[in-house]
Amino acid sequence: NAGVTQTPKFQVLKTGQSMTLQCAQDMNHEYMSWYRQDPGMGLRLIHYSVGAGITDQGEVPNGYNVSRSTTEDFPLRLLSAAPSQTSVYFCASRTGGRNQPQHFGDGTRLSIL
Amino acid sequence: QQQVKQSPQSLIVQKGGISIINCAYENTAFDYFPWYQQFPGKGPALLIAIRPDVSEKKEGRFTISFNKSAKQFSLHIMDSQPGDSATYFCAASMGSNYQLIWGAGTKLIIKP
Repeated sequence: NAGVTQTPKFQVLKTGQSMTLQCAQDMNHEYMSWYRQDPGMGLRLIHYSVGAGITDQGEVPNGYNVSRSTTEDFPLRLLSAAPSQTSVYFCASRTGGRNQPQHFGDGTRLSIL
Repeated sequence: QQQVKQSPQSLIVQKGGISIINCAYENTAFDYFPWYQQFPGKGPALLIAIRPDVSEKKEGRFTISFNKSAKQFSLHIMDSQPGDSATYFCAASMGSNYQLIWGAGTKLIIKP
């Protein structure tokens, strides 16, 4: 049981480039989320999904797109990378219902030059 | 009103001592308060959680104390060990909105 798998683990981009961060879970979880983690700011929600075909914006959605075509996959797309998007990105999933724990991947460390 | 304020930002404790991390919130609609533990290079993982209908929850060496009137909750780590060195996050959520509001995190170092 792999849990939540994020790829790549590290990435360096130039300003203006686009890329997709991959996230896959094998726990058949309904809910999936993308966070960014910056020093001293905790985790900030970018986008989330409550099921296949359903996505919504979180706290900091600008510059990012998501889609959820299957239960397993929830990719995050950076449309035109900016230095302000340098961060560690985490994908999380959880089953439905109140107060269920979130299961996190190990993160993607992204640097924008 | 959506914020969760966490303190201290960093904490150094001697092995065997008690580590205490505090969080405060404003929104009285919050009804679920988890603590997550994060080791370097890993994602956060749920450590322990509490609901506001109880004042304390204990799991092994980890205890959450909850003060509803003060709108504060804290994590106590008894007999702290070097393996407890990690970053700890408090969080809160409410009602049908299952999304968590996160504190800024506390980096805990346990000195041998």
